[in-house]
Amino acid sequence: DSGVTQTPKHLITATGQRVTLRCSPRSGDLSVYWYQQSLDQGLQFLIQYYNGEERAKGNILERFSAQQFPDLHSELNLSSLELGDSALYFCASSPRDPSGAQYFGPGTRLLVL
Amino acid sequence: AQTVTQSQPEMSVQEAETVTLSCTYDTSESNYYLFWYKQPPSRQMILVIRQEAYKQQNATENRFSVNFQKAAKSFSLKISDSQLGDTAMYFCAFMSTGANSKLTFGKGITLSVRP
Repeated sequence: DSGVTQTPKHLITATGQRVTLRCSPRSGDLSVYWYQQSLDQGLQFLIQYYNGEERAKGNILERFSAQQFPDLHSELNLSSLELGDSALYFCASSPRDPSGAQYFGPGTRLLVL
Repeated sequence: AQTVTQSQPEMSVQEAETVTLSCTYDTSESNYYLFWYKQPPSRQMILVIRQEAYKQQNATENRFSVNFQKAAKSFSLKISDSQLGDTAMYFCAFMSTGANSKLTFGKGITLSVRP
């Protein structure tokens, strides 16, 4: 158990819908990262937050957005869902000091029908 | 932009034997981190080992060790005394030490440990 929690574990929805994925980082970790794992794209970085502020953006679609709240949990919002958005979405957190390691949650498996 | 290459898609090893997984990367930076993550069938991403580029000594974690060749931009993972529980997908990853500390992953290698 990495200490990072993600809900829900599984999500099945229809095209055009909107979903919210939730992540709670390890206690004391200020950074939260979101990654997408799909068969064709592999593991891709989406976005990073540090202590409530956006720090870096990757290949995140405009239909996707995220935020980190004062209690440091983070949410990833996916809207106007398409079949190709079906993937495993991971949240990871890292400690305040620059130790480098990122610890991953169990992921949310999204299936868009 | 950094790239990470894992050219072997699959490998197989007999239980109790040793296996080495290869990884190469490309970067113009002088300091960075390299990682190996394990993804078993549960799909959980588990950190196996970490190497800081400015440290010449190769990292070790129990049965796992790395061979870090900075000049060659090579970062291989050696698993000794392979166990059935080592069966998983293994990802090599690169991370800059700058403000943008995202992980850049290779495509992964599927390792099967045979009983």
